[in-house]
Amino acid sequence: DTGVSQDPRHKITKRGQNVTFRCDPISEHNRLYWYRQTLGQGPEFLTYFQNEAQLEKSRLLSDRFSAERPKGSFSTLEIQRTEQGDSAMYLCASSSPSVASGPRKGSYNEQFFGPGTRLTVL
Amino acid sequence: EDKVVQSPLSLVVHEGDTVTLNCSYEVTNFRSLLWYKQEKKAPTFLFMLTSSGIEKKSGRLSSILDKKELSSILNITATQTGDSAIYLCAVGSGTYKYIFGTGTRLKVLA
Repeated sequence: DTGVSQDPRHKITKRGQNVTFRCDPISEHNRLYWYRQTLGQGPEFLTYFQNEAQLEKSRLLSDRFSAERPKGSFSTLEIQRTEQGDSAMYLCASSSPSVASGPRKGSYNEQFFGPGTRLTVL
Repeated sequence: EDKVVQSPLSLVVHEGDTVTLNCSYEVTNFRSLLWYKQEKKAPTFLFMLTSSGIEKKSGRLSSILDKKELSSILNITATQTGDSAIYLCAVGSGTYKYIFGTGTRLKVLA
């Protein structure tokens, strides 16, 4: 039984390069969230998917950021032309639409977080 | 603009002490309030609160929501060194979005 997984766990890139991160949610979960967390701050909402539909996107997400969830399972987050200010931990979380049934399904609204991808832009 | 404010920002206590962490919020269309514990990794879920005045408990941790005061508290009794972590409060706003506070960093000394 696996939880939310993210790949890679660490990424170091040079300014101006493009990077792509992947998130695999818990298999029964149709809701998927991306967050960004910097040191000393709580996670900052970036975007939300329900199945394959991207239903909400933060105004903080510039047009250099794009996210997809093509088949309603895994998701990718791409950052184009990275800047030093993009350095952060990128967290993915998933949740179930149904009421609690089992330790991995969780209750409605309960988000399970992945281990995160730490991005460093040099 | 939606915001979630946690206090104190940091706290140092000794094992066996009781601590109370605060979370206040101003959001449009409140949906729920969640508490998470974050150690050196991703946040792990503690509680979800949707109704005022109903206490949620899990072992030495408990939490309650006051929708009139737009706030919640998280209590930890008989603290242990393993409780040392950042405690995050998140508020569901609108249909899908969650707003997190900056967290309270708790350190429990042996």
